[in-house]
Amino acid sequence: EDQVTQSPEALRLQEGESSSLNCSYTVSGLRGLFWYRQDPGKGPEFLFTLYSAGEEKEKERLKATLTKKESFLHITAPKPEDSATYLCAVLGANSKLTFGKGITLSVRP
Amino acid sequence: GAGVSQSPRYKVAKRGQDVALRCDPISGHVSLFWYQQALGQGPEFLTYFQNEAQLDKSGLPSDRFFAERPEGSVSTLKIQRTQQEDSAVYLCASSLAGGPQETQYFGPGTRLLVL
Repeated sequence: EDQVTQSPEALRLQEGESSSLNCSYTVSGLRGLFWYRQDPGKGPEFLFTLYSAGEEKEKERLKATLTKKESFLHITAPKPEDSATYLCAVLGANSKLTFGKGITLSVRP
Repeated sequence: GAGVSQSPRYKVAKRGQDVALRCDPISGHVSLFWYQQALGQGPEFLTYFQNEAQLDKSGLPSDRFFAERPEGSVSTLKIQRTQQEDSAVYLCASSLAGGPQETQYFGPGTRLLVL
């Protein structure tokens, strides 16, 4: 059974204080690892897809990296508008997306 | 362009009532997915359509849950004889190509509360 564990459960940062969010996974036949952002009362918003170990993708203050066992979402100099829940999901051989519980990020001005 | 839309946004049902949740995917998207998200949890897969064909319904929690997409666009998730444990947010997502490898774009969800 595919599993995704995200840590920490919650993270509070000061504006400008860089940090990383972790996503550890076990999957049978990884076909993709996805990062989404979810704001309260809204659906998940797509951020990145990573397909193989060593791959990296960037978007504004966010950078996602992938190894064979985990993925990191690095946030550089965060702003209050980066506050949200960040979800990690894996697509395995069973063709289903398996999500972690998410990491709630709060950035204080 | 327009994203995935869902209706109603909120639904309150009495235990035992039947409910129907609607999803309008992005125009032209072949694949459509339903997920259930409990409070403080990540979304959990329910079912998947490619055009009008339901290719995977292994995530549906019981035979009270039924989904359809008769013309390959709009989809309806029906829950019969609702129970309190059905209270959750129901998310719909669509993707352009056939197969879940493609990026899934989510709607805002329907928040269901069963009293």
